[in-house]
Amino acid sequence: KAGVTQTPRYLIKTRGQQVTLSCSPISGHRSVSWYQQTPGQGLQFLFEYFSETQRNKGNFPGRFSGRQFSNSRSEMNVSTLELGDSALYLCASSLNSGTGATEQYFGPGTRLTVT
Amino acid sequence: GESVGLHLPTLSVQEGDNSIINCAYSNSASDYFIWYKQESGKGPQFIIDIRSNMDKRQGQRVTVLLNKTVKHLSLQIAATQPGDSAVYFCAETTNAGKSTFGDGTTLTVKP
Repeated sequence: KAGVTQTPRYLIKTRGQQVTLSCSPISGHRSVSWYQQTPGQGLQFLFEYFSETQRNKGNFPGRFSGRQFSNSRSEMNVSTLELGDSALYLCASSLNSGTGATEQYFGPGTRLTVT
Repeated sequence: GESVGLHLPTLSVQEGDNSIINCAYSNSASDYFIWYKQESGKGPQFIIDIRSNMDKRQGQRVTVLLNKTVKHLSLQIAATQPGDSAVYFCAETTNAGKSTFGDGTTLTVKP
């Protein structure tokens, strides 16, 4: 069974631009979560999607948004990029969510650098 | 090379020793806990999980202990090997599905 894939793996953008990152979960998984990982802040939860609906949201500004498609693939978008958005963005998929939560499987991440 | 109770950002142990990595969680409503291992250049990898109705769970060479009274989670690795060198994170998940990760502990195994 193929793991979680994320594209692109590396990205360099300029301040003010916007970016879209993509995540394909493990086949059969309906929950997709996004995280931002930086050396100073560790792993920070961005949001979770389950069956095309956002179930949970972390404490990030509205510039960060996401969506999930009917095939469970997910995208996250960051608008008006700031230097502080430079980070590794990780996507994780799991079979279930909420009270039936199961382990999350992470992708390799997208390394975003904002200059 | 063991630490009990206190979260340390780094831990160095000799190959073959047992390791204990600690984590304090914050939300008493969390009911699902996971330990992850992250190697350089890779995403976190699931190691072991435990639900709040348990206080101990064992896997292959790993044991997770949960103390809900003091909101403390620990990961014990038996006979630590060089391949165990990585950053280890604990994560707590509420029944609403929101996950929060700990700060991470960098484990270094000396041959």
